Amino acid sequence: GNSVTQMEGPVTLSEEAFLTINCTYTATGYPSLFWYVQYPGEGLQLLLKATKADDKGSNKGFEATYRKETTSFHLEKGSVQVSDSAVYFCALKLWDYGQNFVFGPGTRLSVLP
Amino acid sequence: DAMVIQNPRYQVTQFGKPVTLSCSQTLNHNVMYWYQQKSSQAPKLLFHYYDKDFNNEADTPDNFQSRRPNTSFCFLDIRSPGLGDAAMYLCATRDRVKYNEQFFGPGTRLTVL
Repeated sequence: GNSVTQMEGPVTLSEEAFLTINCTYTATGYPSLFWYVQYPGEGLQLLLKATKADDKGSNKGFEATYRKETTSFHLEKGSVQVSDSAVYFCALKLWDYGQNFVFGPGTRLSVLP
Repeated sequence: DAMVIQNPRYQVTQFGKPVTLSCSQTLNHNVMYWYQQKSSQAPKLLFHYYDKDFNNEADTPDNFQSRRPNTSFCFLDIRSPGLGDAAMYLCATRDRVKYNEQFFGPGTRLTVL
C-alpha cells in the first residue's frame, strides 16, 4: 500500500541550528510529494512540493529534494528560528489514487531562543 | 484574497446534540475534503466531494454526514456527537486540473461536553 513515514518528534533545537526532518514513502506509482506545516491552532499550510524525481522544493529557507532511489523527501533548513516552531507533515499524492492524499504522522518542532 | 473559510473557528456542543460545521471557498475548486484531526496527529480523511460526487471513506462513522449544495460551500453534520468526536475538523480544497496540492482552511475546533 501507500504510506509515509516520518521521524518521530518532538524535535527540539536552539535558534540558528540546522534542521533535518526525515520522510520516506512507499508508493505503488510515482507520487507527488509535499511538506505541510501546521502552526498552533491553525490549519495546514503548504510549505513546499515536488512532482518528480530530483525536483527540489524550496520555500522560506526550507528545502526538500525528491529522491526516487531512496524514496525519500527529507526537509532541511540551514538556520531555524523560533517562529518555525510547528508541526510538519510529509504527504504524498498519486495521480491514480483518486483525490486522496496520504499523510505522515507529523513531527513537532520546538525552537528555543 | 481567495481562500478557504471555516465557521465557526470554535464550536462547543453537548453530548448527543447535532452540530453542523461549515466550509466555504472562493477558489472555485472542484474537490472539497473534510478531515478530522486529533492532538496534532495526521489528518484523517472523512470524505470528499469531486464536484457533486460524494466519496465516503470506508471507516468514517455513520454519525458523520456531509452536504455540498454548490461549488462554494460544504457542510459537515455530526448527528449525535460523542466525547470521542472532539477534535479539530479541517476543510480543504483542490483544483483537480490546475493544482496538485490541497488548500486548507483554518479548522474548527469542536468540544463535546
